[in-house]
Amino acid sequence: ILNVEQSPQSLHVQEGDSTNFTCSFPSSNFYALHWYRWETAKSPEALFVMTLNGDEKKKGRISATLNTKEGYSYLYIKGSQPEDSATYLCAFSIKAAGNKLTFGGGTRVLVKP
Amino acid sequence: EPEVTQTPSHQVTQMGQEVILRCVPISNHLYFYWYRQILGQKVEFLVSFYNNEISEKSEIFDDQFSVERPDGSNFTLKIRSTKLEDSAMYFCASTTQGPSPEQYFGPGTRLTVT
Repeated sequence: ILNVEQSPQSLHVQEGDSTNFTCSFPSSNFYALHWYRWETAKSPEALFVMTLNGDEKKKGRISATLNTKEGYSYLYIKGSQPEDSATYLCAFSIKAAGNKLTFGGGTRVLVKP
Repeated sequence: EPEVTQTPSHQVTQMGQEVILRCVPISNHLYFYWYRQILGQKVEFLVSFYNNEISEKSEIFDDQFSVERPDGSNFTLKIRSTKLEDSAMYFCASTTQGPSPEQYFGPGTRLTVT
């Protein structure tokens, strides 16, 4: 049984502060690690798909790193803004196109002005 | 920008009734999925569909569930006889074929079984 865990479950961040949170996943049979940003009543939005150990990806003020040997990924938000408030989901897959994603429970981020 | 759409956004049904949840995936995508999230739990995989057949299904996806791509654009999930525990947010997703394909999600259908 594949288990993907995210921590913390939720966090409050002051506007302008930076923050990060973790996704841990099985290190065996790894194929890809996905990060999604999900606002209520909207579609989960794909942020990153990461496949290589040591990968670092960036999109604006959000970046992510990947360690497949130890089975974790960090998501960083630099200079948090209220519009960054959302649930951030990570998901793990073990083979290429057509395979299912196994999700973590999400980290709910609330940025306070 | 192309997007996955789902209808209805909210469906209320009585236990034992059949429901059909509809999805229109992105037009050039080849793989289609249904996931669901029961309130307070993780998003969980139900089924994947490729080349007009199921490619993988979870143990949740029992004989009460079926999927269909009836006309080359819609992708549907049918629950034959709903149970209270089927209440959840149901997400459709699609992807093209490639080395690291992103799955693109719809906004979900909230199914409430009373």
